[in-house]
Amino acid sequence: SQQGEEDPQALSIQEGENATMNCSYKTSINNLQWYRQNSGRGLVHLILIRSNEREKHSGRLRVTLDTSKKSSSLLITASRAADTASYFCATDNDMRFGAGTRLTVKP
Amino acid sequence: ETGVTQTPRHLVMGMTNKKSLKCEQHLGHNAMYWYKQSAKKPLELMFVYNFKEQTENNSVPSRFSPECPNSSHLFLHLHTLQPEDSALYLCASSQVAGGRTGELFFGEGSRLTVL
Repeated sequence: SQQGEEDPQALSIQEGENATMNCSYKTSINNLQWYRQNSGRGLVHLILIRSNEREKHSGRLRVTLDTSKKSSSLLITASRAADTASYFCATDNDMRFGAGTRLTVKP
Repeated sequence: ETGVTQTPRHLVMGMTNKKSLKCEQHLGHNAMYWYKQSAKKPLELMFVYNFKEQTENNSVPSRFSPECPNSSHLFLHLHTLQPEDSALYLCASSQVAGGRTGELFFGEGSRLTVL
């Protein structure tokens, strides 16, 4: 079974709004990673957060990690239509992905 | 361009055919992965190779046969496939596998249709 599980399954917002998606995992980790996939393409790495980090930023992306709850969140601020994609998380110990969150940003 | 190249990008085959998918990485990585992505199903990790050795086989049917001749190349040999094997097959690489795995670099995938 997969280690990372994302929710919600789907999220639809207007351009300019923020999008938050969550990831839960089962066992202890060294790092957790978020990826993005445009339809029918390969996944692209967005950000890696280590187990001793609580928050990390990269441009409009903000990732948090709560190891006590075994959960992470990805926040995309000031969303754009080009952010429309599926987003996945995975943990370093098995690199399995969940079903992802399908984000739709309406112009 | 991620440094991971998959060929062919599209493949249509009959159930009795034998074909192969190829993956090549130019990143100097030591680990390579095959994933399967079917419609409306989560990404499935199929095989993992670390320093050319298979370290993971997730109960994949024997009609899928991986081969890793060196750390830069990974193949997936296909034979006697079923229509339900139609999917996007993704190859990825990373510096190492099996704990403390860093960033995965993915290819663009091979879209397989089995008639």
